[in-house]
Amino acid sequence: EDQVTQSPEALRLQEGESSSLNCSYTVSGLRGLFWYRQDPGKGPEFLFTLYSAGEEKEKERLKATLTKKESFLHITAPKPEDSATYLCAVLSGAGSYQLTFGKGTKLSVIP
Amino acid sequence: NAGVTQTPKFQVLKTGQSMTLQCAQDMNHNSMYWYRQDPGMGLRLIYYSASEGTTDKGEVPNGYNVSRLNKREFSLRLESAAPSQTSVYFCASSVVRFTEAFFGQGTRLTVV
Repeated sequence: EDQVTQSPEALRLQEGESSSLNCSYTVSGLRGLFWYRQDPGKGPEFLFTLYSAGEEKEKERLKATLTKKESFLHITAPKPEDSATYLCAVLSGAGSYQLTFGKGTKLSVIP
Repeated sequence: NAGVTQTPKFQVLKTGQSMTLQCAQDMNHNSMYWYRQDPGMGLRLIYYSASEGTTDKGEVPNGYNVSRLNKREFSLRLESAAPSQTSVYFCASSVVRFTEAFFGQGTRLTVV
């Protein structure tokens, strides 16, 4: 059974304090890994897709990386507006796809 | 450009009642999805439609039915609501199946 684990569950950072969120996975046949951001009361908002180990993508203060077992979402010099829950989802399967979401990491950035 | 629009935003049902959640997208996407989100759990896929005219079961399809009415619209029906179906429901769409998805604002459903 595919498993996706995000850590930590919650993270409090001071404004400007860089850190990383982790998404570890155990799946058969990785086809892609997605990162989403979700604000309270809203639907998830797409951030990145990574397809193969070694791939990296950046957007403003966010950088996503992928290895064969996990993905990291690095947040550089965060601002209060980066506060949100960050979701990781893994797509796997060779004919019949399976998409598994992690439970998310709730990030709070304190001014 | 509205993106993905869900109706209603909130709903309270009594056990055994039926209802249909509506979803429409204006991005000309081929694929559409219904998810549920429960506290302490990740988003779980209920059903999806890879393209107009097709529907497939996701991880938790029991108790639900779907209809891909046309390319724009994908509805989710609860025939006989149960308290276990209390959840926040999200509709999403993507250009092709299981790529970057755009989500609606969600429907908060309570079954009493």
